[in-house]
Amino acid sequence: GAGVSQSPRYKVAKRGQDVALRCDPISGHVSLFWYQQALGQGPEFLTYFQNEAQLDKSGLPSDRFFAERPEGSVSTLKIQRTQQEDSAVYLCASSFSGGSTGELFFGEGSRLTVL
Amino acid sequence: AQSVSQHNHHVILSEAASLELGCNYSYGGTVNLFWYVQYPGQHLQLLLKYFSGDPLVKGIKGFEAEFIKSKFSFNLRKPSVQWSDTAEYFCAVNPRDSNYQLIWGAGTKLIIKP
Repeated sequence: GAGVSQSPRYKVAKRGQDVALRCDPISGHVSLFWYQQALGQGPEFLTYFQNEAQLDKSGLPSDRFFAERPEGSVSTLKIQRTQQEDSAVYLCASSFSGGSTGELFFGEGSRLTVL
Repeated sequence: AQSVSQHNHHVILSEAASLELGCNYSYGGTVNLFWYVQYPGQHLQLLLKYFSGDPLVKGIKGFEAEFIKSKFSFNLRKPSVQWSDTAEYFCAVNPRDSNYQLIWGAGTKLIIKP
């Protein structure tokens, strides 16, 4: 497809389970971002990749969160030992260049519910 | 800490009414400014952006925004709204000393009554 694709769209996990969220950005887009969006809030930055290099992971809330983009295209956000406070929509966005001068193209998000 | 404030969380208007959504930011340096929109069931998409030049920026679907530096504001306007403008609107700010960081407001849910 032409847009950013995220899967799964919905994920229900029991507390303590590990989850993996996938993002397939627009082909050729250099930059890839992960955001966390809690109910009633705007997106909060998690991490940023330029090609396969993770240039900033300062927004990851804890060491239970891990992201990778090994070949500079598809990215996976992994959350280990999920907690209830991890419940949120996880948004992936890509950009042809750096995010500040380029338009961000968003996926539809992965909604995670931790019971 | 840098922040973006959107004054109204929910706005309800009738068709043909005029719209203004407020956005203020706290950052003393130079910024790039954005409005994104999320229509029901869809992904976030860019509505308009300001980098430099004319502080009155025109975007898609008849929207415009005005950057007032002295007020740290970037309000979104539309003279006459349509039912199809029902969506959630997000203001976002990029401090130019960070080439990729975006700080987002909490969003405003706009409902247009037909």
